[in-house]
Amino acid sequence: AQKVTQAQTEISVVEKEDVTLDCVYETRDTTYYLFWYKQPPSGELVFLIRRNSFDEQNEISGRYSWNFQKSTSSFNFTITASQVVDSAVYFCALSERWRSSGGSNYKLTFGKGTLLTVNP
Amino acid sequence: DGGITQSPKYLFRKEGQNVTLSCEQNLNHDAMYWYRQDPGQGLRLIYYSQIVNDFQKGDIAEGYSVSREKKESFPLTVTSAQKNPTAFYLCASSRDRGGHSNQPQHFGDGTRLSIL
Repeated sequence: AQKVTQAQTEISVVEKEDVTLDCVYETRDTTYYLFWYKQPPSGELVFLIRRNSFDEQNEISGRYSWNFQKSTSSFNFTITASQVVDSAVYFCALSERWRSSGGSNYKLTFGKGTLLTVNP
Repeated sequence: DGGITQSPKYLFRKEGQNVTLSCEQNLNHDAMYWYRQDPGQGLRLIYYSQIVNDFQKGDIAEGYSVSREKKESFPLTVTSAQKNPTAFYLCASSRDRGGHSNQPQHFGDGTRLSIL
């Protein structure tokens, strides 16, 4: 069975601090995908990044960066110079191959999320 | 603009009543999903549809039903059999249609359901 663990339930930082959100996953699949989503107070989930299991290159997008380490089954997310607008719940998710009558597809297993509060 | 529209934003259910949550997308996506979110929890998959007139149960389908008569629409009915329906419900869609594609899911704004 697949599992995604976000050990940090809540994190509180002061604006301009760097913060890292941890994500550890378990899977038996050799091909899988990892995602990060942001859920602001408005409720909708906003897609941030997708990574496949064969691409371990770290990625940077503005103040966001992601560190994928297959050896430790981790896919951590760092926000540099945090801002108040970064306050949200952040979810890590792992894809799972799911065979249905319509063929093979993927479904997501989500972690429980990390509530990040950035204080001014 | 393309996107996913969920309605209503807030919904109240009386005991023994069925209620239906609407989800419409104009992204031309094949796959659609319903998730339930409880406080402090991740999202749990209720139902999933890969194509019109086909849908599959997710991890917590009991007490729920869906239909997929049109590509754009995937309504969720919370039946009276669902004894603890109070939660935040999120609808999503993606371009996937079988095979090995694994496109990101795009989410609506959610519907908050409460029991009266």
